[in-house]
Amino acid sequence: DTAVSQTPKYLVTQMGNDKSIKCEQNLGHDTMYWYKQDSKKFLKIMFSYNNKELIINETVPNRFSPKSPDKAHLNLHINSLELGDSAVYFCASSGGGNQPQHFGDGTRLSIL
Amino acid sequence: RKEVEQDPGPFNVPEGATVAFNCTYSNSASQSFFWYRQDCRKEPKLLMSVYSSGNEDGRFTAQLNRASQYISLLIRDSKLSDSATYLCVVIPNAGNNRKLIWGLGTSLAVNP
Repeated sequence: DTAVSQTPKYLVTQMGNDKSIKCEQNLGHDTMYWYKQDSKKFLKIMFSYNNKELIINETVPNRFSPKSPDKAHLNLHINSLELGDSAVYFCASSGGGNQPQHFGDGTRLSIL
Repeated sequence: RKEVEQDPGPFNVPEGATVAFNCTYSNSASQSFFWYRQDCRKEPKLLMSVYSSGNEDGRFTAQLNRASQYISLLIRDSKLSDSATYLCVVIPNAGNNRKLIWGLGTSLAVNP
């Protein structure tokens, strides 16, 4: 079974549309994350939730809204998509203490 | 000074060579350290944690130098399959707000 799974793997859509990316982890971890990796390959944290509570919210446009219905799920909704949103979005999760993060295989978002 | 710095490379080495990367961090109170590997168009995958006493996993050795605030990764007998980007990760604080700080990565190309 895939530990961290995100859907869809590829998302091609037009500017101005609204889209969602889903993430689920079956590792029993308390903390989940969304990262953005653009064409320059820099991995940038966007959000982090711990037990459904938002704990990290970096400087991200408010068009991006995360939602965590339970600690195994963290979804990302994006309104009014812009060209600059084109990137790979990674979901990750981690356990307590100083445990490392485990990543999903990414959602490749392309805005036309 | 950036929170986490890595030489972006690329490092081009022949098969069988030994190669080492360093990663410096600015926060002397940093708690945990990891090396991740990322292949082209794939998600980052944990390579190894870095322990205070140093640790080894097969051909890979990780070390921490708290006095000089850097971690290192040594790859012995490099293989073609080691070609990837190696990302240094630092957790600067304990607690639930586990914001990992990611380096930009060091690119390694192992050539036949």
